[in-house]
Amino acid sequence: ETGVTQTPRHLVMGMTNKKSLKCEQHLGHNAMYWYKQSAKKPLELMFVYSLEERVENNSVPSRFSPECPNSSHLFLHLHTLQPEDSALYLCASSQDGGGAGELFFGEGSRLTVL
Amino acid sequence: GQNIDQPTEMTATEGAIVQINCTYQTSGFNGLFWYQQHAGEAPTFLSYNVLDGLEEKGRFSSFLSRSKGYSYLLLKELQMKDSASYLCAVPSGTYKYIFGTGTRLKVLA
Repeated sequence: ETGVTQTPRHLVMGMTNKKSLKCEQHLGHNAMYWYKQSAKKPLELMFVYSLEERVENNSVPSRFSPECPNSSHLFLHLHTLQPEDSALYLCASSQDGGGAGELFFGEGSRLTVL
Repeated sequence: GQNIDQPTEMTATEGAIVQINCTYQTSGFNGLFWYQQHAGEAPTFLSYNVLDGLEEKGRFSSFLSRSKGYSYLLLKELQMKDSASYLCAVPSGTYKYIFGTGTRLKVLA
């Protein structure tokens, strides 16, 4: 199994749909992250979980709802999204949440909101 | 405020050397990361500098000057496969990393 896997890789949804993004890490890391990557913008941190507890919620609209059922899995539930939410959503994990640890990224879920 | 600046795009020729610069302003400092991201793929770790100076790793080297808030990534003997975006990032507190917008490097034959 590769380090961090994300599904689906591509998702197209209407504004009234409900969908979920899934992330799984096989590295035994303690922390998991959701980032949003938009064209010509820096990576934006959305949520961080450490040992299944949410430790960071970076002023993200409530139409994005994270879930971390265990230290290996992370979900991002999506509902009533807006077209401006179209972006690449990257999951990452790290061993050390203290800021000195390398992030391991998944390949991302490319979301298009119509 | 906290900020990272890096050029948006650079172009270089196969076999050449290219230097990608990154300047940062942060309230504290706990090292600087460089990541490589090919189109449609995950960002992958290239280097981590916490002390001043040059760290060499094969064709890639990374330099840090903490007093100047400056780093660069040096790529030697460029290959077509080096065409990618290069992201500069600094930790900013627990679980937080500030990223630059990334530099898209195009390597021409």
